Amino acid sequence: EVQLVESGGGLVQPGRSLKVSCVASGFTFNNYWMTWIRQAPGKGLEWVASITNTGGSTYYPDSVKGRFTISRDNAESTLYLQMNSLRSEDTATYYCSRVPDWAYFDYWGQGVMVTVSS
Amino acid sequence: DIQMTQSPASLSTSLEEIVTITCQASQNIGNWLAWYQQKPGKSPQLLIYGTTSLADGVPSRFSGSRSGTQYSLKISRLQVEDIGIYYCQQASTTPYTFGAGTKLELK
Repeated sequence: EVQLVESGGGLVQPGRSLKVSCVASGFTFNNYWMTWIRQAPGKGLEWVASITNTGGSTYYPDSVKGRFTISRDNAESTLYLQMNSLRSEDTATYYCSRVPDWAYFDYWGQGVMVTVSS
Repeated sequence: DIQMTQSPASLSTSLEEIVTITCQASQNIGNWLAWYQQKPGKSPQLLIYGTTSLADGVPSRFSGSRSGTQYSLKISRLQVEDIGIYYCQQASTTPYTFGAGTKLELK
């Protein structure tokens, strides 16, 4: 059974940093691209970052480029999202998701809440 | 960025009814379109990818279609477990973008 379990969320002040993690199981992690998608409270979905299966390439929207870094440890089947210079508009539930084909997202974790507030 | 305009924003309907949700892309995305369902308090689930292909385990009452840059999700006979919010997503070009969602409710 495919499982994605996020952790590391919490309350952080504006301008500070936070790193969230996603542990994968039930599939061969290093065969798949992975992605982070977020959802602000009561709002829709926003793609945040994607990474190739080897970790050799990463992709971001302009809203987080230069502030967020996606990475992975294939030996540990773990995906990361390092978030720097956090803003109030980054407040959201962050989901990690598996990318089975191109840019579709077939399995999602339960999400981890990140709140940016003073 | 490619804009995905989803309609309606909300829909109140009855069990066993036919439901259609549409998504208009602001430019050509070919068949690079997916639909997701999010039940209350849960993570989104992939329903359809490549405009018409059903994801694993998705009931056959769900179907997808395309006419030009307009994409549709059809639920042929609404069941109570179909209640939730539905999102379209274009997978053609980064940044990958989602529609604003359609909230499906029972009358």
